[in-house]
Amino acid sequence: KAGVTQTPRYLIKTRGQQVTLSCSPISGHRSVSWYQQTPGQGLQFLFEYFSETQRNKGNFPGRFSGRQFSNSRSEMNVSTLELGDSALYLCASSLFGQSTDTQYFGPGTRLTVL
Amino acid sequence: GQNIDQPTEMTATEGAIVQINCTYQTSGFNGLFWYQQHAGEAPTFLSYNVLDGLEEKGRFSSFLSRSKGYSYLLLKELQMKDSASYLCAAYGGATNKLIFGTGTLLAVQP
Repeated sequence: KAGVTQTPRYLIKTRGQQVTLSCSPISGHRSVSWYQQTPGQGLQFLFEYFSETQRNKGNFPGRFSGRQFSNSRSEMNVSTLELGDSALYLCASSLFGQSTDTQYFGPGTRLTVL
Repeated sequence: GQNIDQPTEMTATEGAIVQINCTYQTSGFNGLFWYQQHAGEAPTFLSYNVLDGLEEKGRFSSFLSRSKGYSYLLLKELQMKDSASYLCAAYGGATNKLIFGTGTLLAVQP
Protein backbone atom coordinates (compact mmCIF):
# COMPACT_ATOMS: atom_id res chain seq x y z
CA LYS A 1 0.00 0.00 0.00
CA ALA A 2 1.42 3.37 -0.95
CA GLY A 3 2.19 5.76 1.89
CA VAL A 4 1.16 9.35 2.39
CA THR A 5 2.49 11.60 -0.35
CA GLN A 6 2.98 15.35 -0.26
CA THR A 7 3.76 17.78 -3.02
CA PRO A 8 5.82 19.75 -3.53
CA ARG A 9 8.68 18.59 -1.32
CA TYR A 10 10.41 21.97 -1.30
CA LEU A 11 9.11 25.46 -1.88
CA ILE A 12 10.66 28.90 -1.75
CA LYS A 13 8.37 31.93 -1.60
CA THR A 14 8.67 35.58 -0.70
CA ARG A 15 6.77 37.50 1.94
CA GLY A 16 3.25 38.40 0.95
CA GLN A 17 2.82 35.55 -1.49
CA GLN A 18 0.48 32.65 -1.00
CA VAL A 19 1.15 28.94 -1.24
CA THR A 20 -0.86 25.73 -1.67
CA LEU A 21 0.40 22.39 -0.42
CA SER A 22 -1.08 19.04 -1.34
CA CYS A 23 -1.44 15.77 0.55
CA SER A 24 -2.65 12.39 -0.70
CA PRO A 25 -3.52 10.03 2.16
CA ILE A 26 -3.08 6.29 2.33
CA SER A 27 -5.79 4.57 0.32
CA GLY A 28 -8.86 4.04 2.50
CA HIS A 29 -7.89 6.65 5.07
CA ARG A 30 -10.52 9.33 5.47
CA SER A 31 -8.90 11.60 8.03
CA VAL A 32 -6.12 14.01 7.14
CA SER A 33 -4.36 16.20 9.70
CA TRP A 34 -1.86 18.96 9.03
CA TYR A 35 1.03 19.99 11.26
CA GLN A 36 3.67 22.69 11.20
CA GLN A 37 7.10 21.65 12.47
CA THR A 38 9.74 24.17 13.50
CA PRO A 39 12.92 23.60 15.53
CA GLY A 40 11.72 25.61 18.50
CA GLN A 41 8.06 24.63 18.65
CA GLY A 42 8.03 21.02 17.50
CA LEU A 43 4.91 19.73 15.76
CA GLN A 44 2.01 22.14 16.03
CA PHE A 45 -1.46 20.97 15.00
CA LEU A 46 -3.04 23.04 12.23
CA PHE A 47 -6.31 21.29 11.38
CA GLU A 48 -7.96 17.97 10.67
CA TYR A 49 -10.33 17.07 7.87
CA PHE A 50 -12.70 14.15 7.69
CA SER A 51 -15.22 13.52 4.92
CA GLU A 52 -14.52 16.92 3.36
CA THR A 53 -15.28 18.74 6.64
CA GLN A 54 -12.87 20.50 8.96
CA ARG A 55 -13.42 18.68 12.21
CA ASN A 56 -10.70 20.19 14.35
CA LYS A 57 -8.56 23.31 14.30
CA GLY A 58 -5.40 24.42 16.08
CA ASN A 59 -4.38 27.90 17.17
CA PHE A 60 -3.22 29.37 13.89
CA PRO A 61 -4.35 32.61 12.22
CA GLY A 62 -6.95 32.63 9.50
CA ARG A 63 -4.20 32.93 6.87
CA PHE A 64 -3.91 29.17 7.22
CA SER A 65 -6.75 27.29 5.61
CA GLY A 66 -7.40 23.92 4.11
CA ARG A 67 -9.86 21.71 2.38
CA GLN A 68 -10.47 18.07 1.61
CA PHE A 69 -11.81 16.56 -1.55
CA SER A 70 -14.19 13.64 -2.02
CA ASN A 71 -11.25 11.28 -2.64
CA SER A 72 -9.80 12.33 0.78
CA ARG A 73 -6.93 14.24 -0.78
CA SER A 74 -6.31 17.47 1.08
CA GLU A 75 -4.76 20.83 0.41
CA MET A 76 -3.66 23.56 2.75
CA ASN A 77 -3.22 27.18 1.79
CA VAL A 78 -1.23 29.90 3.46
CA SER A 79 -1.93 33.43 2.32
CA THR A 80 0.13 36.58 2.85
CA LEU A 81 3.22 34.62 3.80
CA GLU A 82 5.40 35.82 6.66
CA LEU A 83 9.02 34.95 7.44
CA GLY A 84 7.83 32.99 10.46
CA ASP A 85 5.86 30.64 8.24
CA SER A 86 9.12 28.99 7.16
CA ALA A 87 8.75 25.43 8.43
CA LEU A 88 8.25 21.81 7.53
CA TYR A 89 4.56 21.16 6.87
CA LEU A 90 3.54 17.59 7.52
CA CYS A 91 0.29 15.88 6.78
CA ALA A 92 -0.80 12.65 8.41
CA SER A 93 -3.62 10.32 7.51
CA SER A 94 -5.55 7.82 9.56
CA LEU A 95 -8.61 5.66 9.03
CA PHE A 96 -11.16 7.72 10.90
CA GLY A 97 -9.13 10.18 12.94
CA GLN A 98 -10.11 8.52 16.20
CA SER A 99 -7.83 8.44 19.21
CA THR A 100 -7.08 4.75 18.65
CA ASP A 101 -6.10 5.27 15.00
CA THR A 102 -2.42 5.57 14.21
CA GLN A 103 -1.54 8.62 12.17
CA TYR A 104 0.85 7.98 9.28
CA PHE A 105 2.93 10.92 8.18
CA GLY A 106 3.98 12.05 4.74
CA PRO A 107 7.53 13.25 3.98
CA GLY A 108 6.54 16.86 4.39
CA THR A 109 6.85 20.05 2.37
CA ARG A 110 9.69 22.31 3.42
CA LEU A 111 8.59 25.91 2.92
CA THR A 112 11.12 28.72 3.00
CA VAL A 113 9.84 32.28 3.04
CA LEU A 114 12.35 34.95 2.03
CA GLY B 1 -4.48 23.38 29.10
CA GLN B 2 -2.41 20.70 27.47
CA ASN B 3 1.31 20.23 27.92
CA ILE B 4 3.87 17.60 26.97
CA ASP B 5 7.36 17.60 28.50
CA GLN B 6 10.32 15.51 27.44
CA PRO B 7 14.09 16.04 27.61
CA THR B 8 15.57 17.97 24.71
CA GLU B 9 18.63 15.80 24.16
CA MET B 10 20.11 12.51 25.34
CA THR B 11 23.28 10.63 24.55
CA ALA B 12 23.81 6.88 24.86
CA THR B 13 26.30 4.25 23.83
CA GLU B 14 25.81 1.60 21.16
CA GLY B 15 24.57 -1.65 22.70
CA ALA B 16 23.27 0.05 25.83
CA ILE B 17 19.72 0.74 27.06
CA VAL B 18 18.18 4.21 27.16
CA GLN B 19 14.92 5.44 28.66
CA ILE B 20 13.24 8.56 27.31
CA ASN B 21 10.69 10.06 29.69
CA CYS B 22 7.58 12.02 28.87
CA THR B 23 5.12 13.75 31.18
CA TYR B 24 1.82 15.07 29.96
CA GLN B 25 -1.08 17.17 31.15
CA THR B 26 -4.27 16.95 29.18
CA SER B 27 -7.95 16.76 29.91
CA GLY B 28 -9.85 13.83 28.50
CA PHE B 29 -6.77 11.71 27.92
CA ASN B 30 -7.31 9.13 25.16
CA GLY B 31 -3.93 7.57 24.57
CA LEU B 32 -0.23 8.22 24.14
CA PHE B 33 1.90 7.71 21.04
CA TRP B 34 5.63 7.56 20.45
CA TYR B 35 7.08 8.42 17.06
CA GLN B 36 10.63 8.28 15.72
CA GLN B 37 11.86 10.96 13.36
CA HIS B 38 15.20 10.82 11.58
CA ALA B 39 16.65 14.11 10.41
CA GLY B 40 14.92 15.28 7.25
CA GLU B 41 12.38 12.49 7.32
CA ALA B 42 8.75 12.02 8.36
CA PRO B 43 7.86 10.80 11.85
CA THR B 44 7.20 7.06 11.93
CA PHE B 45 4.94 5.31 14.42
CA LEU B 46 6.61 3.35 17.22
CA SER B 47 4.04 2.59 19.89
CA TYR B 48 0.64 3.36 21.37
CA ASN B 49 -0.48 3.05 25.01
CA VAL B 50 -3.95 3.72 26.31
CA LEU B 51 -3.95 1.49 29.41
CA ASP B 52 -1.42 1.49 32.25
CA GLY B 53 1.51 -0.83 31.82
CA LEU B 54 4.26 -1.86 29.50
CA GLU B 55 3.92 -2.55 25.78
CA GLU B 56 6.85 -4.41 24.29
CA LYS B 57 7.70 -4.50 20.60
CA GLY B 58 11.09 -5.95 19.82
CA ARG B 59 13.88 -3.70 21.04
CA PHE B 60 11.39 -0.93 21.86
CA SER B 61 9.03 -0.84 24.86
CA SER B 62 6.69 1.88 26.04
CA PHE B 63 5.20 2.36 29.47
CA LEU B 64 2.23 4.40 30.62
CA SER B 65 0.98 5.52 34.02
CA ARG B 66 -2.23 7.48 33.60
CA SER B 67 -2.47 8.44 37.28
CA LYS B 68 0.97 10.06 37.10
CA GLY B 69 0.61 11.49 33.59
CA TYR B 70 3.84 9.75 32.71
CA SER B 71 5.22 7.60 29.93
CA TYR B 72 8.60 6.36 28.88
CA LEU B 73 10.11 4.78 25.80
CA LEU B 74 12.77 2.16 26.44
CA LEU B 75 15.24 1.32 23.71
CA LYS B 76 17.42 -1.76 24.21
CA GLU B 77 20.54 -2.93 22.40
CA LEU B 78 21.01 0.50 20.92
CA GLN B 79 22.21 0.73 17.35
CA MET B 80 23.71 3.69 15.53
CA LYS B 81 20.58 3.88 13.36
CA ASP B 82 18.55 4.64 16.51
CA SER B 83 20.04 8.15 16.49
CA ALA B 84 16.93 10.22 15.86
CA SER B 85 14.37 12.46 17.49
CA TYR B 86 11.72 10.68 19.58
CA LEU B 87 8.36 12.40 19.79
CA CYS B 88 5.86 11.84 22.59
CA ALA B 89 2.26 12.73 21.72
CA ALA B 90 -0.88 12.60 23.83
CA TYR B 91 -4.40 12.39 22.47
CA GLY B 92 -6.96 14.39 24.36
CA GLY B 93 -8.16 17.81 25.28
CA ALA B 94 -11.49 19.44 24.72
CA THR B 95 -11.11 19.08 20.97
CA ASN B 96 -9.62 15.56 21.12
CA LYS B 97 -6.52 16.07 19.04
CA LEU B 98 -2.95 14.77 19.10
CA ILE B 99 -0.58 17.08 20.97
CA PHE B 100 3.15 16.57 20.42
CA GLY B 101 6.09 17.29 22.66
CA THR B 102 9.07 19.05 21.12
CA GLY B 103 10.93 15.75 20.86
CA THR B 104 14.04 14.21 22.41
CA LEU B 105 17.10 14.12 20.16
CA LEU B 106 18.96 10.89 20.90
CA ALA B 107 22.57 10.54 19.83
CA VAL B 108 23.98 7.01 19.88
CA GLN B 109 27.76 6.96 20.11
CA PRO B 110 30.09 4.05 19.29
